[in-house]
Amino acid sequence: GENVEQHPSTLSVQEGDSAVIKCTYSDSASNYFPWYKQELGKRPQLIIDIRSNVGEKKDQRIAVTLNKTAKHFSLHITETQPEDSAVYFCAASIRGRGDSSYKLIFGSGTRLLVRP
Amino acid sequence: DTEVTQTPKHLVMGMTNKKSLKCEQHMGHRAMYWYKQKAKKPPELMFVYSYEKLSINESVPSRFSPECPNSSLLNLHLHALQPEDSALYLCASSHGRNEQFFGPGTRLTVL
Repeated sequence: GENVEQHPSTLSVQEGDSAVIKCTYSDSASNYFPWYKQELGKRPQLIIDIRSNVGEKKDQRIAVTLNKTAKHFSLHITETQPEDSAVYFCAASIRGRGDSSYKLIFGSGTRLLVRP
Repeated sequence: DTEVTQTPKHLVMGMTNKKSLKCEQHMGHRAMYWYKQKAKKPPELMFVYSYEKLSINESVPSRFSPECPNSSLLNLHLHALQPEDSALYLCASSHGRNEQFFGPGTRLTVL
């Protein structure tokens, strides 16, 4: 069935170090992969996304890579800062049954703690 | 306007009450979504509206009733909820299959 697995569930890094979060999806028809950051009590905020026709995308300290063959995609945060501490969710877009609607299947989330 | 707004921010209701959650966007997005999020869990899709028509219902109990009065508004009518329905209810919108933008959510407590 439709599934996105995300690892690790928690990640603690020293400020300035890099953080990597990995996701695996099951539906080979998925073609859009967003990453959301959610701070405590706040809404999920889109931080970066990638489409299946691209292997890598970078935005300042954040990058995402996609391996379509292996159905893996990863979030890379370099030079981490305390304000990066949050829960990060990966997601994969799949088509709804019978029409043109799309829905996101979310991973279970990674709680990132950046220690000062 | 590049935001999705939701009202109320907080809602406490009894199991016999009827209440409604409201969501609004003025980005011209034609797809709108309701999600339920429990603590320390990812958002869980409930409903999708596409061009003001219900296109996805993820087997949600009938005590949750969605409504899309127009392309900018999305409501979620609540009736006879259970304590386990207490959660953060998030609305989102998107232009087709592109990025979904989330509202701030309504934190619902059912007593």
